[in-house]
Amino acid sequence: EVQLVESGGGLVQPGGSLRLSCAASGFTFSNYAMSWVRQTPGKGLEWVSVISNGGGSTYYADSVKGRFTISRDNTNNTLYLQMSSLRAGDTAVYYCAKDRSSSAFSPSDYWGQGTLVTVSS
Amino acid sequence: EIVMTQSPATLSVSPGERATLSCRASQSVSSNLAWYQQKPGQAPRLLIYGASTRATGFPARFSGSGSGTEFTLTISSLQSEDFAVYYCQQYNDWPPGTFGQGTKVEIK
Repeated sequence: EVQLVESGGGLVQPGGSLRLSCAASGFTFSNYAMSWVRQTPGKGLEWVSVISNGGGSTYYADSVKGRFTISRDNTNNTLYLQMSSLRAGDTAVYYCAKDRSSSAFSPSDYWGQGTLVTVSS
Repeated sequence: EIVMTQSPATLSVSPGERATLSCRASQSVSSNLAWYQQKPGQAPRLLIYGASTRATGFPARFSGSGSGTEFTLTISSLQSEDFAVYYCQQYNDWPPGTFGQGTKVEIK
């Protein structure tokens, strides 16, 4: 059974940093691209970032480019999102998701339960 | 950036009736279109990919169609467990993999 468990969310002040983690199990982690998608409370979904299976290719939404960094540890089956220069607009539930293919251009077929990031003073 | 527009925003349907949801892309996405189902307090679930291929675990009453810029998700006979928010997402032109704003299917 595929399982994705996010951690690392919480309350952070504007301008602060936070690192999210996603522990993956139940599939061969190194074979698949992985994504982060966020959802503002009560609103829709926003794709944030994706990383290819080997980590060699990464892509970001314009809204987070230069502030967020996606990475992965294929030895420990873990996905990361390093977030810095956080703004109130980054407040959201952040989902980790497994993509259907190894490259960065496929939909996400399994999602974690999400971790809430709140940016507020 | 490709903009995805879903309609209607809310669809009120009685159990057993047919529901038709629309998703329009601002430019062609070929058949690189996915649909997701999200229930309250839960993560989204992949429902349809490749515009018309059902994902694991979803019954045949769910069907997707379309290509290019116009797509449709049809639920042939709504069951109580189908009341949820449905999102479309294009994955033809990355980044970003843009989502539509969602259609809420509610009980009439």
